[in-house]
Amino acid sequence: QITLKESGPTLVKPTQTLTLTCTFSGFSLSTSGMGVGWIRQPPGKTLEWLAVIHWNDDKRYSPSLRSRLTITKDTSKNQVVLTMTNMDPVDTATYYCAHRKLGILTFDYWGQGTLVTVSS
Amino acid sequence: QSVLTQPPSVSGAPGQRVTISCTGSSSNIGADFDVHWFQLLPGTAPKLLIYGNTNRPSGVPDRFSGSKSGTSASLAITGLQAEDEADYYCQSYDSSLSGWVFGGGTKLTVL
Repeated sequence: QITLKESGPTLVKPTQTLTLTCTFSGFSLSTSGMGVGWIRQPPGKTLEWLAVIHWNDDKRYSPSLRSRLTITKDTSKNQVVLTMTNMDPVDTATYYCAHRKLGILTFDYWGQGTLVTVSS
Repeated sequence: QSVLTQPPSVSGAPGQRVTISCTGSSSNIGADFDVHWFQLLPGTAPKLLIYGNTNRPSGVPDRFSGSKSGTSASLAITGLQAEDEADYYCQSYDSSLSGWVFGGGTKLTVL
């Protein structure tokens, strides 16, 4: 059974860097074909894909946010970390991490999400 | 404005059938990238309902079905139940944007 859970600060100040951790179970990121992505949803708005990292350390970023994002993995801890620099109030959103399998261009298992508010 | 266009809301009475459309373009759905559908309920993890245009993951009732044609796709829900009241999102991949894209979401109300 695949499960994922996001953790990190609930409140960050403008210009600060956000660091979110996704801790997962039920699969290994050292297994060929596995990947973990991050998606966010601002209040009242739609979902927005941010980044994804794969078992072979291949990383993809949303072109509009690429300069602010870094995604890394710690296979031994079953964790994926997303950092987003220069946070702004418009980055207030629920941030989700999700599992994907190579060959299917979607995310099949998601965490419950964590709400991050950007405010001074 | 979302890359994929969905109606903001749909509604239906219990037992009825509703459909939710998802319109894209030649760089996503029209480029033969698959369409996937998610159900979002407040406070819960998003749930994959349909993947690869028409496939249901294990555990998803066969009341949910998907289709795709040209630059559009649809999610159909038959035998509406009160528990189906939720937000539904379509998702595909866009070659111009080099990334995963979502629709604006549709709120389903069960009357």
